[in-house]
Formats: sequence, structure tokens, C-alpha cells
Amino acid sequence: DTGVSQDPRHKITKRGQNVTFRCDPISEHNRLYWYRQTLGQGPEFLTYFQNEAQLEKSRLLSDRFSAERPKGSFSTLEIQRTEQGDSAMYLCAGGQATYEQYFGPGTRLTVT
Amino acid sequence: AQSVAQPEDQVNVAEGNPLTVKCTYSVSGNPYLFWYVQYPNRGLQFLLKYITGDNLVKGSYGFEAEFNKSQTSFHLKKPSALVSDSALYFCAVRDSGTYKYIFGTGTRLKVLA
Repeated sequence: DTGVSQDPRHKITKRGQNVTFRCDPISEHNRLYWYRQTLGQGPEFLTYFQNEAQLEKSRLLSDRFSAERPKGSFSTLEIQRTEQGDSAMYLCAGGQATYEQYFGPGTRLTVT
Repeated sequence: AQSVAQPEDQVNVAEGNPLTVKCTYSVSGNPYLFWYVQYPNRGLQFLLKYITGDNLVKGSYGFEAEFNKSQTSFHLKKPSALVSDSALYFCAVRDSGTYKYIFGTGTRLKVLA
């Protein structure tokens, strides 16, 4: 158990709806990452926070995606106007300056 | 641009035999290299990393990996495979000049009893 939790574990939504996911790393994780993983692929980097600052964001991330980490602890990832292509597993990982990441169980999103 | 390749979708090995899972990478700066494992219905788990120093790094569950700069490789190895090692293995790289990690497409390891 990495101590990183994600909520919800599963989300089914209709196309066009907004969804928000939450990630809670352990308190020692000043670094936080979001990834998207589809079947048969490795995790795809979405964004990175160091404390509350969003320091890197993938160019693949459209304007419909936004992430926050307001107090440098938990983080949220919001997808607006969901599309069927957004269906995937959304992973959160916490870490420190030692570079390895500790992944949560993920949130599986299904857009119908 | 950074990239990572895992050329084998699946590797089969008999229990007790040595195993190798291959990974090659491309970065413009110095590479930070990682291996993660994903067991069925469980999240990704960190196995080992190379940041700097000794080219041979040891990690969890008896796994090790060797950083080869000239061949831009970071193959995962274990001297004697266990059936319980059967899982999906991901190689990842981060360029020292960025915070972005790139993961390979994964290699499914099947250890046969």
C-alpha cells in the first residue's frame, strides 16, 4: 500500500458532463503527478505539482482538463465537457525529491 | 524529445531461469530511469531506479537493472524467476531537464512453473 488514495474508484458519465477526481497523497509527498492510462498503454503524463505550484503540463492536455493542488496536499483533476475519448484510467502519484513515484489505485472513467 | 521503448510485448520464462525485460530510451539530457510493476487488479509499484552513480542498481524482490549509456538501455534482470513475478512491467524515463516522465508500453512477464 503506497498510502495514495483516489476517489472515486469508478465514474460513469454521459458525454458532455463535467467530472472531478480527487487524489490524496501522504503528507511527505510534496510532488504530485497525474497520468492517464488506456488499455495496452503505459501511463501518459498529464501534469506535475511541486507543493501547490503546477510546474509542468502536457501539451496533450486540452483546455478541457484542469488540475489544482490548492494547499499542497490533496489534488483535483477536472474534465469539462467529457468526450468518449476521455474514457481511461486516471492515475495519481505522489513523490519526493528522490524521484520515484508512488501510485494510487486510479479512477476508471467511462464516458457513454 | 524523450522516449522509451519496450520491444517485447510478452516474455515467457521458466521458473528458476534468469529473466531479462528490455528497455531502451532516448533523452537529450541525462536520463533518470525507472522500472515499475503492475500486478493484476493492483496499482503500479516502484521497483528500482537509476539516477546517477553505479550502473548496476538493485531493487525490490531481487530485481536489478543495468544502465548502459552507450546502448541507451536499462534492462531489468533477475537471476532466478518465480511464478509470483508474473506481472506487467513498465520502464520509465525522465530527462534531467524536465519534470515529465515517459512510460513504455509495458512488457507482460509470464513465469511458467
